[in-house]
This record gives sequence, structure tokens and C-alpha cells, in this order.
Amino acid sequence: NAGVTQTPKFRVLKTGQSMTLLCAQDMNHEYMYWYRQDPGMGLRLIHYSVGEGTTAKGEVPDGYNVSRLKKQNFLLGLESAAPSQTSVYFCASSNHRDRSQPQHFGDGTRLSIL
Amino acid sequence: DQQVKQNSPSLSVQEGRISILNCDYTNSMFDYFLWYKKYPAEGPTFLISISSIKDKNEDGRFTVFLNKSAKHLSLHIVPSQPGDSAVYFCAASPTTKAAGNKLTFGGGTRVLVKP
Repeated sequence: NAGVTQTPKFRVLKTGQSMTLLCAQDMNHEYMYWYRQDPGMGLRLIHYSVGEGTTAKGEVPDGYNVSRLKKQNFLLGLESAAPSQTSVYFCASSNHRDRSQPQHFGDGTRLSIL
Repeated sequence: DQQVKQNSPSLSVQEGRISILNCDYTNSMFDYFLWYKKYPAEGPTFLISISSIKDKNEDGRFTVFLNKSAKHLSLHIVPSQPGDSAVYFCAASPTTKAAGNKLTFGGGTRVLVKP
């Protein structure tokens, strides 16, 4: 039972490069989320999806794009990486509507932009 | 402006004693609160939650208290164990009917339990 799997685990990019972070979940969850974690800031929501083919902006969406072509996958893209996007990125998924069912998180992707 | 704040970035406690973690929120629309625990190089894992219709929820060694009038919640860990050493995040969810069950997180409190 893998739960939420994020790839890659680590990546170093140069400013201006692009990349895609992949999140896959095997729990048949409707909702998926991308967060970034920075020191002292907790986790901040970047984008989220309430179902296949739908996406919405979170608290800090600028500089990121997302896609949810399949229910089990949620992709986070950086078109032109900037040093301010150096962070640890977490993906999460949850069952729809029922808040007593908590979000399940992956182990994160540590991204450094030089 | 942070809507969920954990004002103590770190906490050190002796094994067997009580750990008390605090969390304050400003948004009156929050009505469901969660605590997550995070070990290094791992994702956060759910610990315990509380709805605003309650003022206390208990699960084994973990108890969460909610004071709605003060917009304050706390997590008590009794007794503290070395395996409890981790970063703890408080999170809140609004009552809005909008889809997403979005969470707003506090900045975290690093707990160190000394043997």
C-alpha cells in the first residue's frame, strides 16, 4: 500500500529551467493538493484539485501550473524556476467532502534553484 | 498575515512529562482543526482532530482542547516519549461549502523529548 508517492525526491535546477513534479496516489481519492514548506511558514497551499480534469489556485499559486489528467495523478510544473521557489514540496490527497478523513501526504520533493 | 499561528517554534520536555503545544487562529470561519506530526525527510501524518462543536477530543496519549472564544487550541501529550520528538503542525479548515476541504497550517513547533 504505497499511499501517496512523489517523484523525484531531490532535484537541483538552474534559474530559468523548467521541471515537473509528479504525485501519484493509490487510494482512489478525489481531492489532491500541492503544498510548499518553508522554514517558519508551515505548509502553504499552491494548487489543488477536486477531481479529474479540474484544478484551482491555492494561497501561493504564482509561478506554478498543475494538471490532473488522471484521477490518481497530480502534476506540478515550474515553467521558469526562480531561487524563491527553493523549497520542499508536498503532495497530499483526501476523500471528498468528509473532513473527518484527513489529508494523506507524500514524503516530499526537496527542490533547490541555483 | 498568518491566519494560524504557533508562537513557540520549539519545545523541550523530559520523558514521561506532559508536552503542551499551542495554536492560535484569527479566521472565525475555521470550524475544524487538526494536528499533524512530521519526522525529518517524511511527510506530515495525521495525529488528531477536533470539530468546533466540541471542546475536547482524546486519543490515547493525545488530547486536543479547543477554546472557540479565545480562538485557541492546544495539544497535550501525556506522557511524552522519545518517539514523540518531531515537528507538530496545527491546521484549520473553514466551514465554507466550497469544494476542496482546504487546510491552513501554522508554522510548526519542534518538540524534543529527552530520555
